[in-house]
Amino acid sequence: QLQLQESGPGLVKPSQTLSLTCTVSGGSIDTSAYYWSWVRQHPGKGLEWIGYIFHSGDTLYNPSLQSRLTMSIDTSENQFSLKLTSMTAADTAVYYCATFPRKTYQWNFDRWGQGTLVTVSS
Amino acid sequence: DIQMTQSPSSVPASVGDKVTITCRASQDISRRVAWYQQKPGKAPKLLIYVASNLQSGVPSRFSGSGSGADFTLTINGLQPEDFAAYYCQQTNSFPLTFGGGTRVEIK
Repeated sequence: QLQLQESGPGLVKPSQTLSLTCTVSGGSIDTSAYYWSWVRQHPGKGLEWIGYIFHSGDTLYNPSLQSRLTMSIDTSENQFSLKLTSMTAADTAVYYCATFPRKTYQWNFDRWGQGTLVTVSS
Repeated sequence: DIQMTQSPSSVPASVGDKVTITCRASQDISRRVAWYQQKPGKAPKLLIYVASNLQSGVPSRFSGSGSGADFTLTINGLQPEDFAAYYCQQTNSFPLTFGGGTRVEIK
């Protein structure tokens, strides 16, 4: 049973860079069957897809965040990561790692981490 | 980007009720929509994919329908554990986008 777990700081200062890692257990991240993704949820609000990374290292980012975003994958550690630069209060949110199958038009998130709250404040 | 508009934003309901939530896409997306349930402090849970396919383990009182731009999530016989927020998501194109959510509340 695939499980995902986010880790990273709960508090980031304005203008700093957020670094989050998602550790995958119960299966290998080095698979062509899934895309590995990040989704965030602002407090009391809806969901926003951030981007995905494939086991090959190929990425696709949400254009709204693309200029500040870098995702990477470490197959030896079974982890993938997110870096978001120039953080502001508007980036305060719960960040989820999640996965969706590599099936055309079935890009629905069937596994989620528990989420980690990131607050941007000085 | 494809905009997903959910309605209503909240629906008061009682145990046993039939609840219907709608989602409208800003363009034709065929049947490429998924539905999620989210409880407070928890990650979303996939309920329905490709408009009407029930995810494994999801009770049969949940059903989805629709195609084109208009979609519906129906809960037949609301149970106490169903009071939660529900989101639609389009799986037609990137960036993937979600509806604003519908909160099913106790009447």
